[in-house]
This record gives sequence, structure tokens and C-alpha cells, in this order.
Amino acid sequence: SAVISQKPSRDICQRGTSLTIQCQVDSQVTMMFWYRQQPGQSLTLIATANQGSEATYESGFVIDKFPISRPNLTFSTLTVSNMSPEDSSIYLCSVGRTGRSYEQYFGPGTRLTVT
Amino acid sequence: AQSVTQLDSHVSVSEGTPVLLRCNYSSSYSPSLFWYVQHPNKGLQLLLKYTSAATLVKGINGFEAEFKKSETSFHLTKPSAHMSDAAEYFCVVIDNYGQNFVFGPGTRLSVLP
Repeated sequence: SAVISQKPSRDICQRGTSLTIQCQVDSQVTMMFWYRQQPGQSLTLIATANQGSEATYESGFVIDKFPISRPNLTFSTLTVSNMSPEDSSIYLCSVGRTGRSYEQYFGPGTRLTVT
Repeated sequence: AQSVTQLDSHVSVSEGTPVLLRCNYSSSYSPSLFWYVQHPNKGLQLLLKYTSAATLVKGINGFEAEFKKSETSFHLTKPSAHMSDAAEYFCVVIDNYGQNFVFGPGTRLSVLP
């Protein structure tokens, strides 16, 4: 398994500002992912954070709005830029592990409220 | 493309009675399937997974799921519900790339005393 921490755990931000969320893993991993969970909804993949290259974004998500950094194999950040109330969500990072089978382990999430 | 349907958005059971949470998937090849649980204000926890070995998969906390290819289903069951089982449950399939998860819409389980 993997132990994943996220900072901050929650925040309340004003419209038009940006927030950077940090994700730290207790061991080196190749695959890291960022998800959004809107209120009462399921999880939607935002992007795959690649170490040493640009993130790979899913349809509907763009780098200008959700810039991602992946400076090493244990850390990644997601920035939510120019926030609006529609960005109020839980943001989760996860890591993928292959072994006997493939699994993903999730961080505790960052609960973001935009006013 | 892979997709997941969870037929019930909300299931309510009495404590001590069986739990059945339904999941149907769509996949163009032999899938890997997972069930995750999310307790209020907590992260996601893996309950169990199917990866083409035994079709009946046992997970944590007494949960199990049966993979039925002919029905494209992977329903989650537990013989006796406990109050602590009240949470949101997500059925997940892996996409064509073999590493991206596709989440179902979730089923909220309520357990009544």
C-alpha cells in the first residue's frame, strides 16, 4: 500500500484567487493522479501527473485552470486557478501501484469551498 | 470505452440484515474491477478487487463480490449490515490504458438501527 497526505485538508477561498494543493507519498511511485469530487457526485479524473514531463489532462480539464507539478517521485501539486464557486469540490490525489495486480491508493482529499 | 453503472443511488437496510449494492460494467476486454468505500469526511478505502482470478472475491469487513461475465455485473454483498457500514460505495473499472480508473456514480448505504 501507500500512505498519502494532502495539504491543506480544507480551505475556504474567495472567487478569483488560486489555491495550490500538495500531495506527498511515503515512497517513490511512477503514477500519480488528481481527481475532483463535486458535492454529492462521484470522482472524475482531472489529470495524470507525470514526473519529468507535462501532466496528461482528461477531456474538460485544461492546464491553465489546473496546472500540475511533479518535481519528483514522491510529491505533486495541483493548483486551482482563478476560482469560481463551481470549483467547490473535494480534490483527491492518488497513486497507482502494479504488483500482482494494479491498485490505486487515495489521499484523504482537500475540501475546497469558493465564496 | 469502459463505463460503470450503479443501479441504486441510495440503499437503506436495517442493522443485521443483508446488504446488496449493484454494479454493472461495460468493457471491451476482460476488466479489472474494484469496490471502494468512502466514509463521511474520510478518504477512499479499497474494499476488494477482481483481477481475473477467482470470480468470488472476499474483501475487508465481511464484504464480498461476485464477478459474472455473462451478466457484466460485479455486485457487492455482506450478510449482515453493521452501523459502521453506512457510507458511500463506488464501483470502479480500469480503462483501456490499464491505469486510469473509471468510477461509477456511487451508492449511498444507510443502516437503520
